[in-house]
Amino acid sequence: EAEVAQSPRYKITEKSQAVAFWCDPISGHATLYWYRQILGQGPELLVQFQDESVVDDSQLPKDRFSAERLKGVDSTLKIQPAELGDSAMYLCASSTLAGLMYEQYFGPGTRLTVT
Amino acid sequence: AQSVTQLGSHVSVSEGALVLLRCNYSSSVPPYLFWYVQYPNQGLQLLLKYTSAATLVKGINGFEAEFKKSETSFHLTKPSAHMSDAAEYFCAVSDPGNAGKSTFGDGTTLTVKP
Repeated sequence: EAEVAQSPRYKITEKSQAVAFWCDPISGHATLYWYRQILGQGPELLVQFQDESVVDDSQLPKDRFSAERLKGVDSTLKIQPAELGDSAMYLCASSTLAGLMYEQYFGPGTRLTVT
Repeated sequence: AQSVTQLGSHVSVSEGALVLLRCNYSSSVPPYLFWYVQYPNQGLQLLLKYTSAATLVKGINGFEAEFKKSETSFHLTKPSAHMSDAAEYFCAVSDPGNAGKSTFGDGTTLTVKP
């Protein structure tokens, strides 16, 4: 069964350092999402791509976060510089517009700890 | 704007007992509704979805949910809890008119006692 791949699974970094996460969606899925999930809360959308275009990045802290999906396939989320409050799980998900169901398939996530 | 409220951040049941996890939503348009399950240090897995077809939706692992428009609810149930059901459950609402942007509730942690 096709899955969303994410790496790394775990990342520990010091504050003020740069960190990057990678996501490879299910083949053929045009829509890709990055979420941040703080412990004890539900996922919060950071950015949504449709192919290589950003559809929604209203909740992305653009002074330190950036996201790209250059060829409309895999995607990278970067934080520079990292802050203590960025410690969270970062989830990637993908979906297809087929039937307009928007059912999302999630990757295993990257657990970020900023020290 | 759409929102989701999950009543009860923690629910505890005995093995074999009924599971009921509550979800209320607000949306300006007929929404799509989803329940996801998350095990520790893993991503979310879809349990079931409502997309304006039958109001009673059956999902995986014996779970089902009923869409009640008059109550703006989409509660998740399972007749008999199993130890393996212990996890965190998220309700989500998606606006089909806004590129499917989804809003998630804060989750309910289900504990199953032997």
